Amino acid sequence: NAGVTQTPKFQVLKTGQSMTLQCAQDMNHNSMYWYRQDPGMGLRLIYYSASEGTTDKGEVPNGYNVSRLNKREFSLRLESAAPSQTSVYFCASRGKGTDTQYFGPGTRLTVL
Amino acid sequence: QKEVEQNSGPLSVPEGAIASLNCTYSDRVSQSFFWYRQYSGKSPELIMSIYSNGDKEDGRFTAQLNKASQYVSLLIRDSQPSDSATYLCAVKTSYDKVIFGPGTSLSVIP
Repeated sequence: NAGVTQTPKFQVLKTGQSMTLQCAQDMNHNSMYWYRQDPGMGLRLIYYSASEGTTDKGEVPNGYNVSRLNKREFSLRLESAAPSQTSVYFCASRGKGTDTQYFGPGTRLTVL
Repeated sequence: QKEVEQNSGPLSVPEGAIASLNCTYSDRVSQSFFWYRQYSGKSPELIMSIYSNGDKEDGRFTAQLNKASQYVSLLIRDSQPSDSATYLCAVKTSYDKVIFGPGTSLSVIP
């Protein structure tokens, strides 16, 4: 039982490159979330998914796309990376009927 | 206006003192409120949740909620150096949307 896993742990991109951040959970949770964390800004919600097949925008969705591939996996895609997207990205999941969010270890992304 | 705001830090308290962390939110229909702790370089972890007006105690931690004032607080009694971390207030604003505040950094001085 690994909980929430994220890949990769670290990534350096050049401006304009694309990449996909992967997230998977093995807790049979319905809801999944993508946040970014910048110094002094706390966690800002990018996108979330209440269930397989549904996704909704959060506070800062511009420049990102998501896919809820199945119940386990929720990916975040940067189509054309910009230096402003340099951040630590956290994925989280939450089970039905509970309010506790479980977070993955994070992906540290640098865009040059 | 950001949906969830917290008192700016950093907050420094001596070991054994009470640390008081505050949070306000803008969405009046919010029903669920959380405090997460995040150590440097680590992921956030839930330490308290509160849903009704009043106080909720768990060990050295007490969460307080006042929905009329749209205010949530966290008190840490007998603060320990191991409590040094960033504390994040979070609010569930609709069926599944959870918004975090900017966090307050707490430093407990031995």
